[in-house]
Amino acid sequence: KAGVTQTPRYLIKTRGQQVTLSCSPISGHRSVSWYQQTPGQGLQFLFEYFSETQRNKGNFPGRFSGRQFSNSRSEMNVSTLELGDSALYLCASSLANGRSGQETQYFGPGTRLLVL
Amino acid sequence: TQLLEQSPQFLSIQEGENLTVYCNSSSVFSSLQWYRQEPGEGPVLLVTVVTGGEVKKLKRLTFQFGDARKDSSLHITAAQPGDTGLYLCAGAQANNLFFGTGTRLTVIP
Repeated sequence: KAGVTQTPRYLIKTRGQQVTLSCSPISGHRSVSWYQQTPGQGLQFLFEYFSETQRNKGNFPGRFSGRQFSNSRSEMNVSTLELGDSALYLCASSLANGRSGQETQYFGPGTRLLVL
Repeated sequence: TQLLEQSPQFLSIQEGENLTVYCNSSSVFSSLQWYRQEPGEGPVLLVTVVTGGEVKKLKRLTFQFGDARKDSSLHITAAQPGDTGLYLCAGAQANNLFFGTGTRLTVIP
């Protein structure tokens, strides 16, 4: 079974631009969660999607948005990029509710975003 | 403020040594997970502990959940270079998963 894939793996943008990151979950998984990882803040939860609906949202500004398609693939978008948005963006998929602690979340390798 | 604090933040040891990593909180969790993340990869789940006082072993790794389900420890016996990585704990609470600050372990051959 193929793992979680994320594209692109690396991205360089400048302040003010916008970016779209993509995540393909494991086949059969319906839940996709997005996280931002930085050396200073660690792993911070962005949002979670299940069956094309946002089920949960972290404490990030509205510049961060996402969506999920009928095939469970998910995208996240960051508009008006700031220097502080430089981070590793990870997505994780699970069957139904990986953030409950009762299921395994499978993480992708991440997209490393650098904002100049 | 972080819900889960891990210590130490960084650890560098020689191959063959033992070590313990701690994950502490003032909050109660329904379960606690440990992950290992290697450079260029996402975190990989190592174990989930659910019951207070529970101990789980995974080869040379021993995980313990505190009696009050507020803290956890990870003990590695005879560390190997392959154990190098970022160790993350994550506590589950009301359908939310909160990640710890992480411990970066380097095992020197």
